[in-house]
Amino acid sequence: AQSVSQHNHHVILSEAASLELGCNYSYGGTVNLFWYVQYPGQHLQLLLKYFSGDPLVKGIKGFEAEFIKSKFSFNLRKPSVQWSDTAEYFCAVGSYNQGGKLIFGQGTELSVKP
Amino acid sequence: DVKVTQSSRYLVKRTGEKVFLECVQDMDHENMFWYRQDPGLGLRLIYFSYDVKMKEKGDIPEGYSVSREKKERFSLILESASTNQTSMYLCASSSTVRGGPGELFFGEGSRLTVL
Repeated sequence: AQSVSQHNHHVILSEAASLELGCNYSYGGTVNLFWYVQYPGQHLQLLLKYFSGDPLVKGIKGFEAEFIKSKFSFNLRKPSVQWSDTAEYFCAVGSYNQGGKLIFGQGTELSVKP
Repeated sequence: DVKVTQSSRYLVKRTGEKVFLECVQDMDHENMFWYRQDPGLGLRLIYFSYDVKMKEKGDIPEGYSVSREKKERFSLILESASTNQTSMYLCASSSTVRGGPGELFFGEGSRLTVL
């Protein structure tokens, strides 16, 4: 079955530390890739997306992600986290033959200590 | 801005009751989705619809049904609620982008508690 796996369930960092959250998927074929964020008490919102082209994509709030096709990975990075980045992060993958649906990973909860 | 509106933010129901969750989007998106979100499990797809009156089962359709009579509205129905359906329910909509899956726009969520 197609799946999306996020390596870390809970990450705790101090402010100014660098962040990398892992995401791997098991689809073959062409995919579109997404990272969403859910701040406490808020709805899910898009951080960034990859459809084609440059495999390094930049999103909002200083986040970026790199698509490595050979590794089926789409890891999220930020050079220096802030307390306001405390949230849950979800990776999602959609395949071109799946009618628009996205499959989500289990989520990674990020806690940033001030 | 795209707006996805879910009818109820919080509901408390009793086991065996019929539950309707409604969702409306205002961006003329052809695709609409219902997910449930549970701690440690992420978002799991219940049903989706790519056109009016069309529906497809997701990964966990058991115990649920859906209705899409108009393009902007997608309803989730729990025919007989059970305690294991206590969860956060998220509605989303999207357009297809160059034949592939586009970005999902989410509603605020409906937190359902079944007693």
